[in-house]
Amino acid sequence: EVQLEEFGGVVVQPGGSLRLSCAVSGFSFDEYAMHWVRQIPGKGLEWVSFISRESETIYYADSVKGRFTISRDNIRKSLYLQMTDLRPEDTALYYCAREMAVPGLPLDYWGQGSQVTVSS
Amino acid sequence: IQMTQSPSSLSASVGDSVTITCRASQTISRYLNWYQQKSGTAPKLLIYAASNLQSGVPSRFSGSASWTNFTLTISGLQPDDFATYYCQQSYKTYSFGQGTKLEIK
Repeated sequence: EVQLEEFGGVVVQPGGSLRLSCAVSGFSFDEYAMHWVRQIPGKGLEWVSFISRESETIYYADSVKGRFTISRDNIRKSLYLQMTDLRPEDTALYYCAREMAVPGLPLDYWGQGSQVTVSS
Repeated sequence: IQMTQSPSSLSASVGDSVTITCRASQTISRYLNWYQQKSGTAPKLLIYAASNLQSGVPSRFSGSASWTNFTLTISGLQPDDFATYYCQQSYKTYSFGQGTKLEIK
């Protein structure tokens, strides 16, 4: 069974840093590109970042570029999001998601999300 | 790439057919996916590459494309279908539409 589980969400002060982790199981992690997507409670989905299978290609949303860093460890079957210079508008539920290698590049499996709250 | 989804909310009855539209600000070929999200849960993939039904998704869900306009149609609404729906483009990086909340009339 494919499973993704996020860890690391906490309350942090503005300007602070945080690292989210996503542990996966039930599939060959190194065969899939991965994403982070966030959602402010009661609001829509916002794509955050993408990393290819061997980390050779990385993309970020403009809203987080220069502040967030995505990475992965294929041996540990884990995805990470290092978040720095956090702002109140970064408060959201952060999901990790797997990208299918099919036309459209959809996200077929998602974790349950990890809540990040940026507040003083 | 901006994705404009409409309507933002929609009321319908069980058994109705509804259509949700997503317009891209530029060509995205068929790099358009649709998701369903219920309160308190992660999004669920319904349709990929504009018109391909994800495994396990009921056939009452369908998608179509015409240039930069994409539609999700639900034929014969079931109680389980009342949720929020999002489109997502993956042609140039990635972005989501604003969402459409489908409510029971």
